[in-house]
Parts: sequence; structure tokens; C-alpha cells
Amino acid sequence: DAGVIQSPRHEVTEMGQEVTLRCKPISGHDYLFWYRQTMMRGLELLIYFNNNVPIDDSGMPEDRFSAKMPNASFSTLKIQPSEPRDSAVYFCASGSGTVFYNSPLHFGNGTRLTVT
Amino acid sequence: DAKTTQPNSMESNEEEPVHLPCNHSTISGTDYIHWYRQLPSQGPEYVIHGLTSNVNNRMASLAIAEDRKSSTLILHRATLRDAAVYYCILRDFEETSGSRLTFGEGTQLTVNP
Repeated sequence: DAGVIQSPRHEVTEMGQEVTLRCKPISGHDYLFWYRQTMMRGLELLIYFNNNVPIDDSGMPEDRFSAKMPNASFSTLKIQPSEPRDSAVYFCASGSGTVFYNSPLHFGNGTRLTVT
Repeated sequence: DAKTTQPNSMESNEEEPVHLPCNHSTISGTDYIHWYRQLPSQGPEYVIHGLTSNVNNRMASLAIAEDRKSSTLILHRATLRDAAVYYCILRDFEETSGSRLTFGEGTQLTVNP
């Protein structure tokens, strides 16, 4: 099992550019989560999906952020246009919903985004 | 959501046991107690979880107070690789809230050689 795979590991971009972060969850998992981590705010949940359907996007900071899950094996988080305050580490996690409270979430190693 | 309180930091020596406390005085009867840790430059990883009884696995032990208002994560012999931020998180089995993890600030564990 390769675990949750995120790409790229690092992204440096200029303010105003579009950024797309990618995530491949563990096969068979039906929950997918996007988190953001900064020194100031810690780990924050941005959005999560169940069976490819967005369930709660209340953590998405603003309309510049959007997330999609076109199929069970792929999700994207897009920022357009990017701003320096979006600089953070973005984590994707997946989990099984069968007995979700008894099941761990599996996190990827994150994408470190720097917006200059 | 019920809250947890953890010390900001703790120190231990290598090969000694470590007891990481967590207070959750407002825990409800349907809340599971989960522990995750985050090693430097990595995503969080699952450590252990329990409901009422003490739990053991290959990574750690979880001791849960009889009234469930507190718990302790026990690392039996700390290694340098155990230096990480440890998060104590409550998860209930109501799907809307329990399916996600809400992270607090955690405890930064330093392991001295």
C-alpha cells in the first residue's frame, strides 16, 4: 500500500498565479480530507468529501479556493489567484467510512506552498 | 465539539517511558479518544485510540481514566524518532462531526539522547 500520495511536494509560485495541488487517496477509502497547516493557525480542515461528494467546505477560506474529486482515486485543491498568505503546508488525508470513528485517517506528506 | 487540553511541551530521555496527558472534562459518552503524532516534515500519523478500556498496540499504550475525563498516552521506551507533536483528539460516532479530525495545538515531545 503506497499510502496517500500528494503532488507536488513543494510549489513556489508568484502572487496571482493559479496553483493546483493533487491527491491520490488510499484505494478503497471513501472519505477524503484537505487540511492546511500554518504556524499561526495549526492544522485546519478546509473541506472533506464522502464518496466523491463534498460534505463540508466551511473551512475553505474564500472563493479563491476550490476542491474537486472527479473520481474515487483523485482529488485537487485549486487556488486562483494565489496570495502570499496562502503559503502553508497542505495535507490530504483519506479514511474508511465503514466505522469511521473507529478508523484512523491516513495523511500524505503534504505540499509545501510558497507564494511570493 | 468537546475540547481537549494538553501541555504545550514535554521532555524525555531516550529509552525512558513517557506519559503524555490529555484532559477532556467535557467528553460525551459517544466520544472516542484518538491520538495522532506528527513527525517533522511529515503528515500526522495515527497512534492509538480507545473508548473506555485501556488499549495497547505496537506503538504505544492508552490509559483512560475511569470517568473518561482524562487519558494518558504512554510510550514505553522513548527513542529519538518519537520526537514529534502529539495530538489528543475526540471523535464521536455522529457522522457529520465524527468523520473528521479537529486538531488542537498538541504537545511537542523532545527526546534527549
